[in-house]
Amino acid sequence: KAGVTQTPRYLIKTRGQQVTLSCSPISGHRSVSWYQQTPGQGLQFLFEYFSETQRNKGNFPGRFSGRQFSNSRSEMNVSTLELGDSALYLCASSYGTSGGVETQYFGPGTRLLVL
Amino acid sequence: SQQGEEDPQALSIQEGENATMNCSYKTSINNLQWYRQNSGRGLVHLILIRSNEREKHSGRLRVTLDTSKKSSSLLITASRAADTASYFCATGGLRGNEKLTFGTGTRLTIIP
Repeated sequence: KAGVTQTPRYLIKTRGQQVTLSCSPISGHRSVSWYQQTPGQGLQFLFEYFSETQRNKGNFPGRFSGRQFSNSRSEMNVSTLELGDSALYLCASSYGTSGGVETQYFGPGTRLLVL
Repeated sequence: SQQGEEDPQALSIQEGENATMNCSYKTSINNLQWYRQNSGRGLVHLILIRSNEREKHSGRLRVTLDTSKKSSSLLITASRAADTASYFCATGGLRGNEKLTFGTGTRLTIIP
C-alpha cells in the first residue's frame, strides 16, 4: 500500500496570507489527524477528521481549520498567517475504528515558512 | 502542552551498544506508542503497547510500560548508525479517540 502523502512539501508565505495543505491517507483509512511541530512547542495535535466530520480538536485558534472529503483526503487551512505559524505540519492516518488503540501512520510533512 | 517528558533529551553512544530512552507521562492512558523521526521528516511508527501490557518486542526494540509509575522505556539493542534519529513517545486512546499526545523527544546519535 502507498503511504500517507502530503502536498506541498515546502511552502513559503508572508504574514497575513492564507495557506492550504493537503493530505492523502493510506487506502482504507478513514481517520486523518493533523499535528504541528515546532522547536519550541514540540508536536501538538491540531484536529482529527473521521468520515468527513471533525471528531477531535486541539487547542489552536480558529485560524486553523480543516476538512475531509468523501475519499478521506483531508485539507487544513491556516488563515491570516503569523510568523509563529512557521512549522512542520504532519498528518497521520488510521482506520479510526478501534476506539483509540491503533497505529497511526504519518506522512513526510509540509514545512511552512512564514516571512 | 506535552503529556510526556523524555529522558535523556540527548544520548550519544558507540555503534553496537544498547540505547535506553525513558518516557514519563501524567494522566491515564489507553496505549503508548514510540515513533522515530529523522532530521525533521515524518514520523515512523516503531511499536504500540497497550495499557494492559507490560513488555513488547519488535526486532531489536524492546518496550516496557509501567502504568503504576506512568512511565515507559524503549531499548534499542546492538545500535547501528542508521538508528541516529529523534525518538518520541506518544500517549493516546483516551476517551476512545485517535489523538496522540507527544513527549519532548530524545535525540539519539550513534557514533560509528
